[in-house]
Amino acid sequence: VQLVESGGGVVQPGRSLRLSCVSSGFTFSSFGMHWVRQAPGKGLEWVAFIWYDGSKKNYADSVKGRFTVSRDNSKNTLYLQMNSLRAEDTAVYYCARDPPGAQGARHSYNFDYWGQGILVTVSS
Amino acid sequence: DIQMTQSPSSLSASVGDRVTITCRASQSISSSLNWFQQKPGKAPKLLIYAASSLQSGVPSRFSGSGSGTDFTLTINSLQPEDFATYYCQQSFSIPITFGQGTRLEIK
Repeated sequence: VQLVESGGGVVQPGRSLRLSCVSSGFTFSSFGMHWVRQAPGKGLEWVAFIWYDGSKKNYADSVKGRFTVSRDNSKNTLYLQMNSLRAEDTAVYYCARDPPGAQGARHSYNFDYWGQGILVTVSS
Repeated sequence: DIQMTQSPSSLSASVGDRVTITCRASQSISSSLNWFQQKPGKAPKLLIYAASSLQSGVPSRFSGSGSGTDFTLTINSLQPEDFATYYCQQSFSIPITFGQGTRLEIK
């Protein structure tokens, strides 16, 4: 299993950025996927979750209405479109796989594999 | 939202020690509790899921227990590679929330 993020960098407040996470080593279309972020020197913050087929999405209140998670199962790729960026969005962003849950549950809201992370810096 | 509170925030221990980290949820989360280890500059690594199940490949010196609101992560016979930051995380409901982390340092 490998997850590789890209698309990070320095962006001005109010601008947009799109992160990508390319997966390999597993059947991407069978797993829900998450974005989790970590501000410099801080703890982990869950950002967004998308079902295996893209039919349902959930967001943290801190990004709701500004960020959009999506996926292209034909390309084994997860995306995070980030609009109206703020200084407080500065963080390392990780994509992570959601393993199946107990008793046949499709999702578990857990993270069993993570990408290496990509830094997003929002600064003028 | 479910608040997760870890204690202590930091801990000093020696190689060979046994350490315990506690995580408390603001409401019952059954056994929907996971533990992660993170080393500087690296992604978190899943250690324990469903409160007490050891993730594949994780050494058996790591163990988890608890249910409801109170959980513990125990590391027996600390090894040099275990010095890191540990996070608990509830997988009971959205929004998913993490504890603030416990930094385990070498004494």
